[in-house]
Amino acid sequence: GQNIDQPTEMTATEGAIVQINCTYQTSGFNGLFWYQQHAGEAPTFLSYNVLDGLEEKGRFSSFLSRSKGYSYLLLKELQMKDSASYLCATLDSNYQLIWGAGTKLIIKP
Amino acid sequence: DGGITQSPKYLFRKEGQNVTLSCEQNLNHDAMYWYRQDPGQGLRLIYYSQIVNDFQKGDIAEGYSVSREKKESFPLTVTSAQKNPTAFYLCASHGPRVTGELFFGEGSRLTVL
Repeated sequence: GQNIDQPTEMTATEGAIVQINCTYQTSGFNGLFWYQQHAGEAPTFLSYNVLDGLEEKGRFSSFLSRSKGYSYLLLKELQMKDSASYLCATLDSNYQLIWGAGTKLIIKP
Repeated sequence: DGGITQSPKYLFRKEGQNVTLSCEQNLNHDAMYWYRQDPGQGLRLIYYSQIVNDFQKGDIAEGYSVSREKKESFPLTVTSAQKNPTAFYLCASHGPRVTGELFFGEGSRLTVL
């Protein structure tokens, strides 16, 4: 079967660093996405990884290990506006998106 | 500005009624999608369309119907056959690259009274 696992909820402090993990088991793999979704709003694109390694984009970085079926999203210098849900999704062999349930990130002052 | 517009943002329905959610995009995208989002669950695909006048069932199509008569428009009808329709519905599209990012509308929250 196809499965994506992420922690349900995480808490971090403003100014700190947090790592949100995502593990996946899918039939085929054509890349992994991270999206940010504020409560009651539409998801917005953060990153796409298809090759192993770390990709940095400002305060956000995304890492992929295809052999381990593992990715993480790293958020640095946390700000209150980073409080949101973070959705991990993979593209399977049919180029269909498989979504995780999302990780709700709570930032405390 | 290009984007996806969903309406209405909030909708209340009595049991037994059909309702139609609108999705319009001016991004010139061929591929459009409807997702359902419930608390604690990932996005679940209801229907998708890769081209005008063609659409495919997703994982949870029962109780829903769609049409794609124009490239810009992909309305979703929630029929009375959908037993648990209360949810947040998201419309999305993407450009020519299947690995490209999805652009989402603001969502429609449907509540059955």
